[in-house]
Amino acid sequence: QSALTQPPSASGSPGQSVTISCTGTSSDIGTYNYVSWYQQHPGKAPKLLIYEVSKRPSGVPDRFSGSKSGNTASLTVSGLHAEDEADYYCGSFAVSKVFGTGTRVTVL
Amino acid sequence: EVQVVESGGGLVQPGGSLRLSCAASGFTFSSSWMTWVRQAPGTGLEWVANIKEDGTEKYYMDSVKGRFTISRDNAKNSLYLQLNSLRAEDTAMYYCGRDRGFHIIDYWGQGTLVTVSS
Repeated sequence: QSALTQPPSASGSPGQSVTISCTGTSSDIGTYNYVSWYQQHPGKAPKLLIYEVSKRPSGVPDRFSGSKSGNTASLTVSGLHAEDEADYYCGSFAVSKVFGTGTRVTVL
Repeated sequence: EVQVVESGGGLVQPGGSLRLSCAASGFTFSSSWMTWVRQAPGTGLEWVANIKEDGTEKYYMDSVKGRFTISRDNAKNSLYLQLNSLRAEDTAMYYCGRDRGFHIIDYWGQGTLVTVSS
């Protein structure tokens, strides 16, 4: 099972929006509405940010949103805060668990 | 409050063994699939194994099949990962988490570091 493809980096200024893509195939993202996003700050454990494409767990700010089109899922962070600087990983339900390659978001 | 705490990591020589433990509280452990995910230094997340609520189903990534064994003790709210025949490429932070299925890992521990080196 190949990893899901994400851009290695993304950036934006405080208050701006940034969108991260996660490209899979018709066997994972293209078929199932089970895409998750995880946020990981340096030296910390991952944290579930989005599940089932666009649902947020309790406590996750609504400036984090998810969507999907075809074989590509996206995470948008609106109104960037300094604390949003982190690594972001997508995941998609398939035969076995696959994580995306990861995107480092830098707040300029 | 949910707590997930891993332990048992350390430095081990190639070919050696380690047993990782994960103590969980604050949710119904016996009703939860559990999973292990690892992260080699400077790299991304990699799913390792998961186990059904009652331990009757277990799944592994290809590169650890036959070397790693996942198990659980619901009476102790604990998850385990036995690592045998360790290789340098197994060096990683190992995280334990609650697995709700469909790639939803909603509770994570802080991880335990395994270093395989001579």
